[in-house]
Amino acid sequence: TQLLEQSPQFLSIQEGENLTVYCNSSSVFSSLQWYRQEPGEGPVLLVTVVTGGEVKKLKRLTFQFGDARKDSSLHITAAQPGDTGLYLCALRKTSYDKVIFGPGTSLSVIP
Amino acid sequence: DAGVIQSPRHEVTEMGQEVTLRCKPISGHDYLFWYRQTMMRGLELLIYFNNNVPIDDSGMPEDRFSAKMPNASFSTLKIQPSEPRDSAVYFCASTSSGRGAETQYFGPGTRLLVL
Repeated sequence: TQLLEQSPQFLSIQEGENLTVYCNSSSVFSSLQWYRQEPGEGPVLLVTVVTGGEVKKLKRLTFQFGDARKDSSLHITAAQPGDTGLYLCALRKTSYDKVIFGPGTSLSVIP
Repeated sequence: DAGVIQSPRHEVTEMGQEVTLRCKPISGHDYLFWYRQTMMRGLELLIYFNNNVPIDDSGMPEDRFSAKMPNASFSTLKIQPSEPRDSAVYFCASTSSGRGAETQYFGPGTRLLVL
């Protein structure tokens, strides 16, 4: 059983649409991160959330950490072609654990 | 400042050959990570170092894989002998144990194809 699950696996939308992707774990974790990976590049950190119920905004991106600290969502408003990429969530069970990455959601925004 | 540097960016080799991937972490970072990414298995941690010392190599798939970090500015991941199933993108990442320790900075990756 995978520690981290992400849904959907693939998402293709038109420019200007809104979307939400999800990250779920079977375990409680101390922190969760969202990365974006563009084709041919390495992942780049978008945000780190550590408090249950926490909401963080990064321009058109809104990140939410579930109250039980087992899930998270990423909402993108008015998606643009530049948002295209692989969105990875990553968790650390405790402060001293290594980071574990989810399988990712591949987003394609069509102009 | 330069980010994490990896070389080569692309490598094509034949089964049975030795492959060496190289990484230069960000100056001042004391943690270095090697990851492998495939469509089937996603992004997997292979091994990580702290202050040039290997801390956790439980992700290294088998004895054909080895990693070294002879100094704070250089690390290698070696596959000998290589097999077609080793084809993947290999990433190196680094971070600092100080403020901002949760942020891993990834290199551009090495795309390895073993024929």
